[in-house]
Amino acid sequence: QKEVEQDPGPLSVPEGAIVSLNCTYSNSAFQYFMWYRQYSRKGPELLMYTYSSGNKEDGRFTAQVDKSSKYISLFIRDSQPSDSATYLCAPRTGGFKTIFGAGTRLFVKA
Amino acid sequence: DVKVTQSSRYLVKRTGEKVFLECVQDMDHENMFWYRQDPGLGLRLIYFSYDVKMKEKGDIPEGYSVSREKKERFSLILESASTNQTSMYLCASSFDGPSGRNEQFFGPGTRLTVL
Repeated sequence: QKEVEQDPGPLSVPEGAIVSLNCTYSNSAFQYFMWYRQYSRKGPELLMYTYSSGNKEDGRFTAQVDKSSKYISLFIRDSQPSDSATYLCAPRTGGFKTIFGAGTRLFVKA
Repeated sequence: DVKVTQSSRYLVKRTGEKVFLECVQDMDHENMFWYRQDPGLGLRLIYFSYDVKMKEKGDIPEGYSVSREKKERFSLILESASTNQTSMYLCASSFDGPSGRNEQFFGPGTRLTVL
């Protein structure tokens, strides 16, 4: 079983839609939960960071962590064509190593 | 702005060749990482380094070695390239901040093709 499972998509939505991206994980020692966004032909960039369970909101983006069910979510409101990218969930324990999900490819159609 | 640069964007090599991929970061970060990225498999850690001359194996170190002689530079070496090493290679760096966030900053990647 992979430590982090993420549906690779692709996910195609119309502009303005609410997008829900999700990951499940198996390691209960994960404490830090990140979402990276990767545009085509670029390296990933940190989008959202959450420590432990709960919600964090930043503009149109909301990250949600439910440690009891080992479930990580990223919601995008009012999605834009510029949100078209691959989104990688990335949980981490307190150490150096971050585990990256396979990434979900998102297409937002104008 | 943190900048992580990689020596080549695209590289084509032949089976059996020795390949060097270089990565440089300009923000004095302690930690540096090499990943490969393949469709459906995500980012897999090859090696990482938390200090000059220090290195730790990641999840898939076989067929690779690394070198970190200076803090800002981390090199990935394929001793004898094979076709199954055709992939996108990403370098990253991070620092150990008090928040524990340890955001990784990535380079643009090197697309390596081994023929």
